[in-house]
Amino acid sequence: QQQVKQSPQSLIVQKGGISIINCAYENTAFDYFPWYQQFPGKGPALLIAIRPDVSEKKEGRFTISFNKSAKQFSLHIMDSQPGDSATYFCAASRETSGSRLTFGEGTQLTVNP
Amino acid sequence: NAGVTQTPKFQVLKTGQSMTLQCAQDMNHNSMYWYRQDPGMGLRLIYYSASEGTTDKGEVPNGYNVSRLNKREFSLRLESAAPSQTSVYFCASSEQGRGEETQYFGPGTRLLVL
Repeated sequence: QQQVKQSPQSLIVQKGGISIINCAYENTAFDYFPWYQQFPGKGPALLIAIRPDVSEKKEGRFTISFNKSAKQFSLHIMDSQPGDSATYFCAASRETSGSRLTFGEGTQLTVNP
Repeated sequence: NAGVTQTPKFQVLKTGQSMTLQCAQDMNHNSMYWYRQDPGMGLRLIYYSASEGTTDKGEVPNGYNVSRLNKREFSLRLESAAPSQTSVYFCASSEQGRGEETQYFGPGTRLLVL
């Protein structure tokens, strides 16, 4: 059973556009929500993360929006660039389980020049 | 600083063969993890080791065994490979195994079981 569901599965955006990837979780005990970025042939790498005590976190062109009541969070990539083309994974963990992460299914983002 | 290294990069096995995937980290991290990545399923945790000397099952442990050889090394063994184990395997590590830690991933091992 997938505890973190991610959509869309794939996304094509024009250069300069906004990319939006959504995730929904079931376990209300989750208290840490990172996003990982994976380029072809590489391992995932942490992009940005949020805790549920804030509704938004921004780092450069990347923003996480968090809706605790809806149990949803999303990644927004502003001014998307071809170099952002990668697979993005949302994830969730809870302090009591250590840093064990539950990942979403992944979104393959393509940014066309 | 190499980070997390994995060997081999690619392997082809026949059904029933065994193999060990090797992972090492040079960041002095306590916790290490093995994941498998399959299309449309994200990354699923196979086993993890919170600290040297301990290992625990993750979400999909069947058909696998692990050994935390020392603080640096964490190996994953397939005793009798099956086509369902065709996947990309990633090893990762984190500093203390706490909830908000970054996990650092290796480059992956691509395994094909015929």
